[in-house]
Amino acid sequence: GDSVTQMEGPVTLSEEAFLTINCTYTATGYPSLFWYVQYPGEGLQLLLKATKADDKGSNKGFEATYRKETTSFHLEKGSVQVSDSAVYFCALSEVDTGGFKTIFGAGTRLFVKA
Amino acid sequence: DAGVTQSPTHLIKTRGQHVTLRCSPISGHKSVSWYQQVLGQGPQFIFQYYEKEERGRGNFPDRFSARQFPNYSSELNVNALLLGDSALYLCASSFLARDTGELFFGEGSRLTVL
Repeated sequence: GDSVTQMEGPVTLSEEAFLTINCTYTATGYPSLFWYVQYPGEGLQLLLKATKADDKGSNKGFEATYRKETTSFHLEKGSVQVSDSAVYFCALSEVDTGGFKTIFGAGTRLFVKA
Repeated sequence: DAGVTQSPTHLIKTRGQHVTLRCSPISGHKSVSWYQQVLGQGPQFIFQYYEKEERGRGNFPDRFSARQFPNYSSELNVNALLLGDSALYLCASSFLARDTGELFFGEGSRLTVL
């Protein structure tokens, strides 16, 4: 079945460091890809998305490119801030029997130190 | 504008009991999905409902059931609770059944089974 694998955390970085969180997926069809973020004490919220190959999603300085050839959707940010400390989830969404379902990775916790 | 609301926010049950969780989607959203998030893991898909019909079901036992009402709110029911059902239950809404776009999540109902 479809699945999402992302790098294990926690990831600890100093402020202004470069961030990469790896994400790969397996899917039978042609899914849309997402990064969701869960800040401390808050609910899950969409960070960025890409719906077709070579699309780049971006938001709040974060970027990820839909790479069909490597089935990857790695999250990057050039300079992290303390406020970026959160849990990041890679996810895919695919049409399934009249509806759709979103499959999430296990999450990667990011700590950013001042 | 109100986001996705869930109730109750926290509850404690004992093994063998039954629980009902409730969700109100964002106004105008017709699709509701339910997810189970065990501590340290990503959300696992349970159900999707659209226009009161089940449109998708994850790999959960028949003890789990759900329904959607004419106002698009939804209930998740779990019978014969097991210790392993302890988790955060998330509700997410979206506008269309086949929309593979953004899910809008509530803050969840945290269930503890003793």
